[in-house]
Amino acid sequence: EVQLVESGGGLVLPGGSLRLSCVVSGFTFTSYAMSWVRQAPGKGLEWVSAISGGGDDTYYTDSVKGRFTISRDNSKNTLYLQMDSLRAEDTAVYYCAKDATVLGANWFDPWGQGTLVTVSS
Amino acid sequence: DIQMTQSPSSLSASVGDRVTITCQASQDISNFLNWYQQKPGKAPKLLIYDASNLETGVPSRFSGSGSGTDFTFTISSLQPEDIATYYCQQYDNLPLTFGGGTKVEIK
Repeated sequence: EVQLVESGGGLVLPGGSLRLSCVVSGFTFTSYAMSWVRQAPGKGLEWVSAISGGGDDTYYTDSVKGRFTISRDNSKNTLYLQMDSLRAEDTAVYYCAKDATVLGANWFDPWGQGTLVTVSS
Repeated sequence: DIQMTQSPSSLSASVGDRVTITCQASQDISNFLNWYQQKPGKAPKLLIYDASNLETGVPSRFSGSGSGTDFTFTISSLQPEDIATYYCQQYDNLPLTFGGGTKVEIK
């Protein structure tokens, strides 16, 4: 069974940092790109970032470029999202999701359960 | 960025009704269009990929069609367990973008 389990969310001050993790099991991690997708409270879905299966290629939405860094440790079957210079508008549930291909940016199946990040003073 | 416009934003229908949701892209995206279902408090679930391909295990009452800029998602016979918000998503260009969602309720 494919499983994705996120952790690392919490309350952080504006300007602060947080690192999210997503541990996966049930599939060959290196064979698939991975993405982070977020959802602000009561709002729709927003793709944040993606990384190819080997980790060589990364992609970001403009609003997080230069502040967020996606990475993966294929030896640990773990995906990360390092979030720096956090803003109130980054408040959201962050989901990790398995992409359909090794290069990424296709469709997402499945998704993790999500971890809530709240940026507030 | 490619804008995805979904309509309606919400709808109410009776059990057994046929439900149709549309998604319009701001430019031609061929068939690079997916549909997800999100139940309250849960993660989204993939239903349809490449505009019309049903994901394994998804009931056949769900279907999708379209290409270019105009797409349709249909539930042929609405069931109580279909209460959810449905999203379209394009992957023709980065950034990947989602429609605003359609909340489906039972009348």
